[in-house]
Amino acid sequence: GNSVTQMEGPVTLSEEAFLTINCTYTATGYPSLFWYVQYPGEGLQLLLKATKADDKGSNKGFEATYRKETTSFHLEKGSVQVSDSAVYFCALTGGFKTIFGAGTRLFVKA
Amino acid sequence: EPEVTQTPSHQVTQMGQEVILRCVPISNHLYFYWYRQILGQKVEFLVSFYNNEISEKSEIFDDQFSVERPDGSNFTLKIRSTKLEDSAMYFCASKFREGQGIHEQYFGPGTRLTVT
Repeated sequence: GNSVTQMEGPVTLSEEAFLTINCTYTATGYPSLFWYVQYPGEGLQLLLKATKADDKGSNKGFEATYRKETTSFHLEKGSVQVSDSAVYFCALTGGFKTIFGAGTRLFVKA
Repeated sequence: EPEVTQTPSHQVTQMGQEVILRCVPISNHLYFYWYRQILGQKVEFLVSFYNNEISEKSEIFDDQFSVERPDGSNFTLKIRSTKLEDSAMYFCASKFREGQGIHEQYFGPGTRLTVT
């Protein structure tokens, strides 16, 4: 069945550091890929998405490219801020449901 | 911008009691979902609902769970006899259309259920 694997956290960075959170997936067919963000005490917010191979999703300085050859969708940001501290979930949709990775907690220190 | 809403934000109940979690999906959406997230763990799919029937459910969604769209706006999740392990954050989501890569699911803010 479909699955998503993302790097374990927590990830702790200093402000303005470069961020990478790795995500790989297993799926049949051609799923859509997403990154969701969950700020403390809040629900899930869609951060970015990509619907086909080589698509790049981007939002708020975050980027991720749908790599079919490596079945990956790594999240990157060139310069993180304290306000980026949150849990980040990689997810895929194929069929009716969305399958989430375990989440990666990011702490950004001032 | 339209959003999915959920009530209550926090529900405390005693073991064995019935609870109903309520959701108002985005008004022109056709597909509805419930997910749960046990504290500190991953978000897990429970059930999807379309055209007034369940389209897919997970192994978590046993006979203790049911869903209903009682009118044109609400979408509810009922747990008949709650257990301690039902304590979690429950997220409702809705989607306009099905199909790969066409539309993403929009999530509500969640209801935190605490079973004591």
